[in-house]
Amino acid sequence: GNSVTQMEGPVTLSEEAFLTINCTYTATGYPSLFWYVQYPGEGLQLLLKATKADDKGSNKGFEATYRKETTSFHLEKGSVQVSDSAVYFCALGSTSGGSYIPTFGRGTSLIVHP
Amino acid sequence: DAGVTQSPTHLIKTRGQQVTLRCSPKSGHDTVSWYQQALGQGPQFIFQYYEEEERQRGNFPDRFSGHQFPNYSSELNVNALLLGDSALYLCASSPGQGTYQETQYFGPGTRLLVL
Repeated sequence: GNSVTQMEGPVTLSEEAFLTINCTYTATGYPSLFWYVQYPGEGLQLLLKATKADDKGSNKGFEATYRKETTSFHLEKGSVQVSDSAVYFCALGSTSGGSYIPTFGRGTSLIVHP
Repeated sequence: DAGVTQSPTHLIKTRGQQVTLRCSPKSGHDTVSWYQQALGQGPQFIFQYYEEEERQRGNFPDRFSGHQFPNYSSELNVNALLLGDSALYLCASSPGQGTYQETQYFGPGTRLLVL
């Protein structure tokens, strides 16, 4: 079956540091890949997505590239801010019976200090 | 646009009781999915409703059931509550067809505590 593995957190960084959160996946076929962000007390928000190999998703300074050969979709940001502190979820999406079902990783907590 | 709304925000129940959670989808969305997010875990897919029918179901027991109304709002019912049902329950809505399904909008969740 489908699965997503993320690096364990928390990841603790100083403001303006470079961020990488690793994500690898196992899936049949060619799923779409996603990063979601969850701020304290809120639901998940879609951060970025990529739908095929070598696609790069980007949003709000975050980027991730769909690497089919390494089955990875690592999240990066060049300079983090305190406001980026949140939990980040990697997910893959597959279609089954006409409906789209995502599979989520366990999440990685990011803490950014001033 | 109010986005996806859920009620109640918090709920405390005891083992064996039954609970009903409610979700109103984002305007224009006709598909509602429900997820269970245990503490420190990612969301786990429970089921999805489209056109008032359960279209897909995850690996959850029959104690978990749902309903979708003609206005696309939805309910999640859990019977015979167990301590392990304590979690954040998330509702997500999306357009029902094609790749637009991938853009799911999540509500803030209902936090259920079973004592």
